[in-house]
Amino acid sequence: DTGVSQDPRHKITKRGQNVTFRCDPISEHNRLYWYRQTLGQGPEFLTYFQNEAQLEKSRLLSDRFSAERPKGSFSTLEIQRTEQGDSAMYLCASTPGRAKNIQYFGAGTRLSVL
Amino acid sequence: AQTVTQSQPEMSVQEAETVTLSCTYDTSESNYYLFWYKQPPSRQMILVIRQEAYKQQNATENRFSVNFQKAAKSFSLKISDSQLGDTAMYFCAFMRGNPGNQFYFGTGTSLTVIP
Repeated sequence: DTGVSQDPRHKITKRGQNVTFRCDPISEHNRLYWYRQTLGQGPEFLTYFQNEAQLEKSRLLSDRFSAERPKGSFSTLEIQRTEQGDSAMYLCASTPGRAKNIQYFGAGTRLSVL
Repeated sequence: AQTVTQSQPEMSVQEAETVTLSCTYDTSESNYYLFWYKQPPSRQMILVIRQEAYKQQNATENRFSVNFQKAAKSFSLKISDSQLGDTAMYFCAFMRGNPGNQFYFGTGTSLTVIP
């Protein structure tokens, strides 16, 4: 499968715990995006990377959230001291450099904070 | 700020019939792109169709076509010959030309195709 891969698909955690999600973009896609989707809503932009550089962060990305893309390939999204309001689907998307206006999405990681 | 509005939370259509999903947006940008994405129950978003704002011609992809009214900031999706596999959430999305290229999504329309 050469699509965008996200791991894990589901994560259940207790409030206050830290969680980390991983996204593997399509090979050679230089832009990678993170979105959050809550029930009944469309995805909301969190942050994006061009190669290893994090170029923009949404106001939704509080200090408890951090994202990295250390080698310009896979990315991780960490949430520290999780809160119940963090429960959502976290989606990753990637874009080839030659066609920046097409984003390919992964299946997402569903986070449930108890 | 960019906003995308989908005023139809749920719609249904008989198999083989035609259905139109509405989308309006608000922006002060001149360079932008518009998209319709489909999200089946498996939750993976799939691109249905896209439109460059500078193109006057409406985009078409097989059974899917759009009615892009730039002055009215309207971008509706028409699905012809609806199939059971079209059952999904449909999201309208706006993308600025620069910088960032992140999407701004509407709240979605849940489409059910009835056999």
